[in-house]
Amino acid sequence: QLQLQESGPGVVKPSETLTLTCTVSGGSISLEYWNWIRQSPGKGLEWIGYVYYSGSTNYNPSLKSRVTISRDRSKNQFSLRLTSVTAADTAVYYCARSIVSAPRLDHWGQGIVVTVSS
Amino acid sequence: EILMTQSPATLPVSPGERATLSCSASQSVSSNLAWYQQNPGQAPRLLIYGVSTRATGIPDRFSGTGSGTEFTLTISSLQSEDFALYYCQQYSQWPLTFGGGTKVEIK
Repeated sequence: QLQLQESGPGVVKPSETLTLTCTVSGGSISLEYWNWIRQSPGKGLEWIGYVYYSGSTNYNPSLKSRVTISRDRSKNQFSLRLTSVTAADTAVYYCARSIVSAPRLDHWGQGIVVTVSS
Repeated sequence: EILMTQSPATLPVSPGERATLSCSASQSVSSNLAWYQQNPGQAPRLLIYGVSTRATGIPDRFSGTGSGTEFTLTISSLQSEDFALYYCQQYSQWPLTFGGGTKVEIK
């Protein structure tokens, strides 16, 4: 059974870079899209972007200038890097898989709470 | 981007009764529409995709209808575990976008 698990710091200082990792078990990150989504009280669910197994990416235009998503096939992991964070980036961050042919999000991690605070 | 709007924001329903949730898109998403259920402290769970196809393990009291810009999720007879938040999401166009959610609460 496919499982995803987010890891990373729970607190990040303003203006610094947030880095999260999603470890995939029970399956390979070959094929399909590997996504990051976040959820905050103010903005609800927001799709951040995905990385494809080939390494190609697609980002939400609202975050594109600050986001990098990458994958490490040898570790079966993919990562999110978000630069110049502010309080508005405080959220629960989820990693999730979506099907290439029709990208509904069919497997999710449990989520990680990230607070931007000095 | 495609704006997704859900109504109502809160839906009080008695156990055993039917719940009807609505979702509308700012432009046609064809049949590229999914519904998710979220319980407190948990990640969203895929319920329905392609407007009406139930995801693996989802009971048949959940059903979806609609096309184009107007969609409905119906829960035929609410069980205790169904009181939760529900989101619609379009995957017709990038970026993926979600509705603001409907909270189904006990009446």
